[in-house]
Amino acid sequence: GENVEQHPSTLSVQEGDSAVIKCTYSDSASNYFPWYKQELGKRPQLIIDIRSNVGEKKDQRIAVTLNKTAKHFSLHITETQPEDSAVYFCAASSRDYQLIWGAGTKLIIKP
Amino acid sequence: KAGVTQTPRYLIKTRGQQVTLSCSPISGHRSVSWYQQTPGQGLQFLFEYFSETQRNKGNFPGRFSGRQFSNSRSEMNVSTLELGDSALYLCASSLYGGATYEQYFGPGTRLTVT
Repeated sequence: GENVEQHPSTLSVQEGDSAVIKCTYSDSASNYFPWYKQELGKRPQLIIDIRSNVGEKKDQRIAVTLNKTAKHFSLHITETQPEDSAVYFCAASSRDYQLIWGAGTKLIIKP
Repeated sequence: KAGVTQTPRYLIKTRGQQVTLSCSPISGHRSVSWYQQTPGQGLQFLFEYFSETQRNKGNFPGRFSGRQFSNSRSEMNVSTLELGDSALYLCASSLYGGATYEQYFGPGTRLTVT
């Protein structure tokens, strides 16, 4: 079946540095790719999403890139801050109208 | 707009019992998805309801079931509870479905099975 692989499972970066999380999907019909952030003890929230007709999307310090040929997409966070510490989930839509989730990446921002 | 609400927020049940969890979506949202979250296991998809019909189902045993009412409120039922069912159960509502639109998550119901 369809799956989404997310790497790394844990990422530790110095405050102010950049962080990159990568996801690979298997369904060539996938056309919607959201990223959710879940802070400790809180509910997941959408931080950015991209559709297959766009190669890159930016929102302040956050950007997502999509490579349809290679079937992978990445989340880029620049100038990381303590409040960026959280678990990040990627997901991809499937041909049967389901959202397939990655396993999550725990991002740790070191002061 | 009021956010997604879930009741109850906390629940303690005994192995073998059954439980019903409730989710009220954002007004106007027709899709409700349910997820199980355990430490280190990410978000495990249970099922999605759209306009009172189950549109998708994850890889969970038949003990897990759900339904959606005409007002889009949804319930999830787990029968014959097992210790491994202890988890945070999250529901998420979306305008037409999480595979196309943003999902808004509720605060979750923390289920403990003893």
